[in-house]
Amino acid sequence: DAMVIQNPRYQVTQFGKPVTLSCSQTLNHNVMYWYQQKSSQAPKLLFHYYDKDFNNEADTPDNFQSRRPNTSFCFLDIRSPGLGDAAMYLCATSGSGTVSYEQYFGPGTRLTVT
Amino acid sequence: AQSVTQLDSQVPVFEEAPVELRCNYSSSVSVYLFWYVQYPNQGLQLLLKYLSGSTLVKGINGFEAEFNKSQTSFHLRKPSVHISDTAEYFCAVSDPTEYGNKLVFGAGTILRVKS
Repeated sequence: DAMVIQNPRYQVTQFGKPVTLSCSQTLNHNVMYWYQQKSSQAPKLLFHYYDKDFNNEADTPDNFQSRRPNTSFCFLDIRSPGLGDAAMYLCATSGSGTVSYEQYFGPGTRLTVT
Repeated sequence: AQSVTQLDSQVPVFEEAPVELRCNYSSSVSVYLFWYVQYPNQGLQLLLKYLSGSTLVKGINGFEAEFNKSQTSFHLRKPSVHISDTAEYFCAVSDPTEYGNKLVFGAGTILRVKS
């Protein structure tokens, strides 16, 4: 089945230690998104890629970076995680130019910062 | 910029009773509207979407929603809920004229189905 995969599902990192979260997709969608979702809150868009075109949200901290080496993969890098970065990180994809306009979400990576 | 208001943070309901989860969005010339469901420690799953056409939209798991342009609402309904419907529900809006198909989510409504 075509899907969005996130690895790992659970990640523990130390305060200040860089961490990378991974997302892959088999949908061949050209748009990929990263969201941060803190406990009992709505998902908040961090940035998205439209093909190789990177689009950062205005209020996304510089501590968060992203890479998209090819259509299938996208990475979220947190350069120096703080306690406030503990959250669920959701990856999603969308096929622009299709009629559905919906986003397909992965299962998420829950990040704990100790 | 678009915004979404989900009027109830939690909705308790007994099994087999009907339920309505309310959603209002800020006005725009045109919008796309979505309802997503999230089970604990999982990603979001699309329940239904409104892009155009009929204002009554049917989705998965017996849910439906009605788009009301004059009231800028998109309320989610189910005539008879099950225990398995216990989850958090997010209403989201997209501006079709905006680059990137970006979604703006409401704060979510936790549906608790009691036996």
